Amino acid sequence: QVQLVQSGAEVKKPGASVKVSCKASGYTFGGYFMHWVRQAPGQGLEWMGTINPSGGGTSYAQKFQGRITMTRDTSTSTVYMDLSSLRSEDTAVYYCARVSNDYVSIDYWGQGTLVTVSS
Amino acid sequence: QSVLTQPPSVSAAPGQKVTISCSGSSSNIENNYVSWYQQLPGTAPKLLIYDTNKRPSGIPDRFSGSKSGTSATLGITGLQTGDEADYYCGTWDSSLSAAVFGGGTKLTVL
Repeated sequence: QVQLVQSGAEVKKPGASVKVSCKASGYTFGGYFMHWVRQAPGQGLEWMGTINPSGGGTSYAQKFQGRITMTRDTSTSTVYMDLSSLRSEDTAVYYCARVSNDYVSIDYWGQGTLVTVSS
Repeated sequence: QSVLTQPPSVSAAPGQKVTISCSGSSSNIENNYVSWYQQLPGTAPKLLIYDTNKRPSGIPDRFSGSKSGTSATLGITGLQTGDEADYYCGTWDSSLSAAVFGGGTKLTVL
């Protein structure tokens, strides 16, 4: 069965960086794009960007350009999301989410990683 | 502000039917598939509807999706208390080259 298992919660100070991992299993890793989506406390879903695990190509939301880097390790079927220059507004649950074959819907989600930015 | 517009909340009695709207534009809903997600408290979202009106395996036919022009609708019949959750619509925006979501609708089953 498809599983996306993310790394644990993080607490960071303003200005620091955070790297969240997402290990995929149960399917062909390179066959599906992966989104990163975040959700601030009590708020809605926000798309951050997408990575193609096959070739490593990425597409980032304009809001995060310059602060975000998505990478992947095909040997461990893991994708990573690195967000730098953290501020309090970045406090959120971060999800990795597998993009379905229609390239629009998200058919599987990780369990989420809470990142708290606080001085 | 979200690119897609949903009502903040809807409510109905058990056994009744409810619809949740999702309004967008020609660059997103009108020309792309729409998805719907259910998020129970404290959990990750779950896919309910994909390709505008298709249900993944395991999703009951009480849930349905439709689209007309720049708006999409999620319908839920035979409401159960277990349906109380936040519901999100999502699609791709061709102008923004970005995945976009609605702001979410909280369903209360009275």
